Amino acid sequence: SSELTQDPAVSVALGQTVRITCQGDSLRSSYANWYQQKPGQAPVLVMYGKNHRPSGIPDRFSGSSSGDTASLTITGAQAEDEADYYCNSRDSSGSWVFGGGTKLTVL
Amino acid sequence: QVQLQESGPGLVKPSETLSLTCTVSGGSISSGSYSWSWIRQPAGKGLEWIGRIYTSGSTKYNPPLRGRVTISVDTSKNQFSLKLNSVTAADTAMYYCARDVTYYDILTGYGPYYFMDVWGKGTTVTVSS
Repeated sequence: SSELTQDPAVSVALGQTVRITCQGDSLRSSYANWYQQKPGQAPVLVMYGKNHRPSGIPDRFSGSSSGDTASLTITGAQAEDEADYYCNSRDSSGSWVFGGGTKLTVL
Repeated sequence: QVQLQESGPGLVKPSETLSLTCTVSGGSISSGSYSWSWIRQPAGKGLEWIGRIYTSGSTKYNPPLRGRVTISVDTSKNQFSLKLNSVTAADTAMYYCARDVTYYDILTGYGPYYFMDVWGKGTTVTVSS
């Protein structure tokens, strides 16, 4: 089955830049999406497709991809960005696959 | 502004069937290039996609769950539903419904993009006797 691999935890100093990565074979042919989930809340879409931010998502969030790896970059991380981040994409059969999630800590 | 709301029993006995409904408000379940998904998340763990239904009624299920899952849609009620049979403690989780989008960027010609843009708040289901 298709898998997406994320680092379990990442930390960043307040105001600095952090990159969260997602790796998997499905990313060679399908764009990654990124979801932010804060404790006790539902996931929120923060990035989709070829670096598209939904309305209301700050422009400090950006996305990129190369080969089998997609990245979510937060430029100038804020305290409110502390959350779990999940990538996902569709595999060749059309099923959704999620990464295991990355816990972002803002120091 | 489309909103989704999950509803259903919070407690299900082992070996029985889990049944949840997602009500779509603020828009028609039949409009646009949308399909509708169920996702679950055990406490403290990651997200697992369960399956999707198109308003045509066709479905796509996550292979590990395929034999136990049925997703249906009732366009007259603007709802779609999840049934998961023969549940065990491993099915205890927060269950979310979400809108699946297929989007073509007309300006750049890129796409299709697939993503889930609207999520319900989730409902907790515990499997226990």
